[in-house]
Amino acid sequence: DVKVTQSSRYLVKRTGEKVFLECVQDMDHENMFWYRQDPGLGLRLIYFSYDVKMKEKGDIPEGYSVSREKKERFSLILESASTNQTSMYLCASSLDSNQPQHFGDGTRLSIL
Amino acid sequence: RKEVEQDPGPFNVPEGATVAFNCTYSNSASQSFFWYRQDCRKEPKLLMSVYSSGNEDGRFTAQLNRASQYISLLIRDSKLSDSATYLCVSKTGANNLFFGTGTRLTVIP
Repeated sequence: DVKVTQSSRYLVKRTGEKVFLECVQDMDHENMFWYRQDPGLGLRLIYFSYDVKMKEKGDIPEGYSVSREKKERFSLILESASTNQTSMYLCASSLDSNQPQHFGDGTRLSIL
Repeated sequence: RKEVEQDPGPFNVPEGATVAFNCTYSNSASQSFFWYRQDCRKEPKLLMSVYSSGNEDGRFTAQLNRASQYISLLIRDSKLSDSATYLCVSKTGANNLFFGTGTRLTVIP
């Protein structure tokens, strides 16, 4: 079974803090993704990566950056957290572009 | 207009009932389609891919209608454990997945 692990289930941070969300997959998947999920808006893609050190913007990249230094790890960074970034953050990975995505448990992030 | 639209529900059905969800997509270039299931406060999990010819997995049947740009999910003999939110997903290009907001199903004893 594919295992996608996110570092925290729940996280509370303050406005202006730099926040790191970590995601690790153990199946040697090429592609990794970061989404946020909000009521009534569904899942929205923030960034994705199709290879080490490669990244592509998704639909809502503003206020976020990502890092993929190793194939198994994809980090999401909130440069200066704001209250409108309070959300559920979901990491996903897929073997390649033709395969479905598998999700981590999610991180519920609250920015106070 | 959203890429993928679903009726949010909720659908409340008795155990044993048959229930169907539809989902429409706006991009005719969409190539692949999936249904994901998401339990409350959990991550989405792949339920099934949707193939052009339609496909079945036990009590679940998925169908694609390219002409009308919709996909459907049919659940037969509903179980209490089927209660969840069902997310419709279309894929356009290499990595462009578009998720619907989900249809909530509650199966009642």
